[in-house]
Amino acid sequence: DTEVTQTPKHLVMGMTNKKSLKCEQHMGHRAMYWYKQKAKKPPELMFVYSYEKLSINESVPSRFSPECPNSSLLNLHLHALQPEDSALYLCASSHGGGESNQPQHFGDGTRLSIL
Amino acid sequence: GESVGLHLPTLSVQEGDNSIINCAYSNSASDYFIWYKQESGKGPQFIIDIRSNMDKRQGQRVTVLLNKTVKHLSLQIAATQPGDSAVYFCAENGGSARQLTFGSGTQLTVLP
Repeated sequence: DTEVTQTPKHLVMGMTNKKSLKCEQHMGHRAMYWYKQKAKKPPELMFVYSYEKLSINESVPSRFSPECPNSSLLNLHLHALQPEDSALYLCASSHGGGESNQPQHFGDGTRLSIL
Repeated sequence: GESVGLHLPTLSVQEGDNSIINCAYSNSASDYFIWYKQESGKGPQFIIDIRSNMDKRQGQRVTVLLNKTVKHLSLQIAATQPGDSAVYFCAENGGSARQLTFGSGTQLTVLP
């Protein structure tokens, strides 16, 4: 079982809906990440939070809005998504908050389908 | 057998044989490397990591080799088992702000 918990596991939404993905970790990690993974492709970095502050946004469209309410929680708010946004959304966490020189631990993802 | 992730994304081995999965990384400035295993319907699972001041690191049934001269990373799995069937990704901290970037992945299938 993963130590990073993501909810929901599956989500189907229309292009006009607003929904949120949630991620939680209790390992005391201070860096948290959102990745997008299309089928048969590697994960692609979207956002990095370091000590609860957004440190990296990989030119992600504004219809994706991250939020880090505290050091254990990470949300991804979704609004007006497009069919091409259908993918597996992965959350990860790691010790430290700067450069990636520690293992990132992943949740099992939310499978998102946009109708 | 061997597989180069970018050009041969599948590798089939007999149960009990050793597996070697190869990865060519892109950024000579990368100094941290990780291997992940991803099973169907799951997130990537950390297997082993290595820093650039080492050229070999061993774990339980796994060994990672790093050749910085040719920017090559490999994962060796001893006595491959059916539970090892998965997609294996290498990752390097060569992305923007030294974040992880992942290789294209290799699908390992263990044959009975």
